[in-house]
Amino acid sequence: DAGVIQSPRHEVTEMGQEVTLRCKPISGHNSLFWYRQTMMRGLELLIYFNNNVPIDDSGMPEDRFSAKMPNASFSTLKIQPSEPRDSAVYFCASDRQGGNIQYFGAGTRLSVL
Amino acid sequence: GENVEQHPSTLSVQEGDSAVIKCTYSDSASNYFPWYKQELGKGPQLIIDIRSNVGEKKDQRIAVTLNKTAKHFSLHITETQPEDSAVYFCAATYKSQGNLIFGKGTKLSVKP
Repeated sequence: DAGVIQSPRHEVTEMGQEVTLRCKPISGHNSLFWYRQTMMRGLELLIYFNNNVPIDDSGMPEDRFSAKMPNASFSTLKIQPSEPRDSAVYFCASDRQGGNIQYFGAGTRLSVL
Repeated sequence: GENVEQHPSTLSVQEGDSAVIKCTYSDSASNYFPWYKQELGKGPQLIIDIRSNVGEKKDQRIAVTLNKTAKHFSLHITETQPEDSAVYFCAATYKSQGNLIFGKGTKLSVKP
């Protein structure tokens, strides 16, 4: 199994630009999670999906952030417009619904200049 | 909602010594407590977990203990090695809930 695949691994962009992060969960997993990691705030849950349906998006910081899961094998996290304070490492994780064991991708390091 | 506190934030030990990381949680309904290890440049990976029907679980050099009455759980690493150096996260949840609530992490440094 290839594990959770995230792309890109690194993204450098300028303030105001749109950023799209991508995630492919492990095949057969039907829960998907987006996290943001910073030194100050640690690992924060942004949103999670069960069977492609958003269940809890209370962690999404602002309307500039949006996430979609059009099918069981793909999800995107979009930031529009991006700001320097969005700079962080963004992780995607997946698990079998109710399994609780989350498998993380390698992350996307985002730098907004 | 659930809140997880983790201590210490940094821990430095000599190779061969033991390391202990402690976490407390607030929601008595929580019944699943995993520990994740994050190496530099990688995503967190599950290393051990415990459910509320047991008090202790061991896997080679790592062990986790759970005290449901006091609402705290701990990670114990014995005979530490330099490759144990990483950031460790504890987490808590209850089974009907999909998301894990993570602690802030502990940066463990094992000095050769």
